[in-house]
Amino acid sequence: DAMVIQNPRYQVTQFGKPVTLSCSQTLNHNVMYWYQQKSSQAPKLLFHYYDKDFNNEADTPDNFQSRRPNTSFCFLDIRSPGLGDAAMYLCATSRAQLRETQYFGPGTRLLVL
Amino acid sequence: AQSVTQPDIHITVSEGASLELRCNYSYGATPYLFWYVQSPGQGLQLLLKYFSGDTLVQGIKGFEAEFKRSQSSFNLRKPSVHWSDAAEYFCAVGAESGGGADGLTFGKGTHLIIQP
Repeated sequence: DAMVIQNPRYQVTQFGKPVTLSCSQTLNHNVMYWYQQKSSQAPKLLFHYYDKDFNNEADTPDNFQSRRPNTSFCFLDIRSPGLGDAAMYLCATSRAQLRETQYFGPGTRLLVL
Repeated sequence: AQSVTQPDIHITVSEGASLELRCNYSYGATPYLFWYVQSPGQGLQLLLKYFSGDTLVQGIKGFEAEFKRSQSSFNLRKPSVHWSDAAEYFCAVGAESGGGADGLTFGKGTHLIIQP
């Protein structure tokens, strides 16, 4: 089945230690998104890739970066995680057309010690 | 900028009873609207979506939603809930930009509790 896969499902890191979260898709969608969802809150868009074009949300901290080496993979890098970065990180994909549905992966829950 | 309001943080419903979850949006143009469901520790699963046309849309798992432009609402309904429906429900609105690739704006979610 075509799907969005996120690895790992759970990630524990130490305060200030860089961490990378992975997302892959078999849907061949042009667009990949990263959302941050803190406990009991709505998902919040961090940034997205439209093909190779990176689009950052205005209020996304510089501590968060992303890479998309090819259509299938997208990575979220947190350069120096703080306690406030503990959250569920959701990857989503869509086709690059108006009003397209976004398909979400299962998420990676990040814990910062 | 668009926004979504889900006025009910928690809702408790008895199994077999009907359900309505409220969603109000603010958006300058014709919105496109979604309902997603999230089980504990899981990602988001699409229940249904509205883009245009018939204002009553059917989704998976027996859910439906009605778009009411005059009320800026997109409420989710189910005639008879099952214990497995207990989850977090998110309403979301998409932007109508020329790029064809914009993030969704989510409401804060409604936590649905099913009583036996």
